[in-house]
Amino acid sequence: DAKTTQPPSMDCAEGRAANLPCNHSTISGNEYVYWYRQIHSQGPQYIIHGLKNNETNEMASLIITEDRKSSTLILPHATLRDTAVYYCIVGNTGTASKLTFGTGTRLQVTL
Amino acid sequence: KAGVTQTPRYLIKTRGQQVTLSCSPISGHRSVSWYQQTPGQGLQFLFEYFSETQRNKGNFPGRFSGRQFSNSRSEMNVSTLELGDSALYLCASSLDAGTGNTIYFGEGSWLTVV
Repeated sequence: DAKTTQPPSMDCAEGRAANLPCNHSTISGNEYVYWYRQIHSQGPQYIIHGLKNNETNEMASLIITEDRKSSTLILPHATLRDTAVYYCIVGNTGTASKLTFGTGTRLQVTL
Repeated sequence: KAGVTQTPRYLIKTRGQQVTLSCSPISGHRSVSWYQQTPGQGLQFLFEYFSETQRNKGNFPGRFSGRQFSNSRSEMNVSTLELGDSALYLCASSLDAGTGNTIYFGEGSWLTVV
């Protein structure tokens, strides 16, 4: 699986958009970009995933660059409950349901 | 629908003992995978089961084992517990290994070895 690079921490004011970047320059053509978040002491929560098109759901938007070497997770209106560690994962679940987690970005949403 | 259910949520064991953790996947999901999370190593893949067969295995010693039943429920076992096995053990399920499938996690089982 391709490796990802994320900033270790970010801050965001409540009500503002949180934009979390992820670099995955070695991504291959059949690998998806997945985003999960983990609030302390809980299991990782699925947010969104995509292959090459931008994706949006009720939680967030995923913007993938045309060359697929980087992506951005956007939380449109961050709240205090969005404070968590966010993991960007690149992988191909075609042969096995396995995810390789990095160290993620600790997002702190403040008043 | 119900999510991934793990039992027990918390447990304390003594060094040398063994432990069995249980996982019930989301209804209809046939793939179950297990992860270990520790402060030092982060989230690490243990193994994955599909249709009662282990399909993929992480880099863990043989003390860590698992199985999957015909109803897709899974158990993992750790024998001869060591202090370093203290961790959050997470179970995840997905429909199968189809490309782009979503993998959902349970809340985990907190194991403390004393």
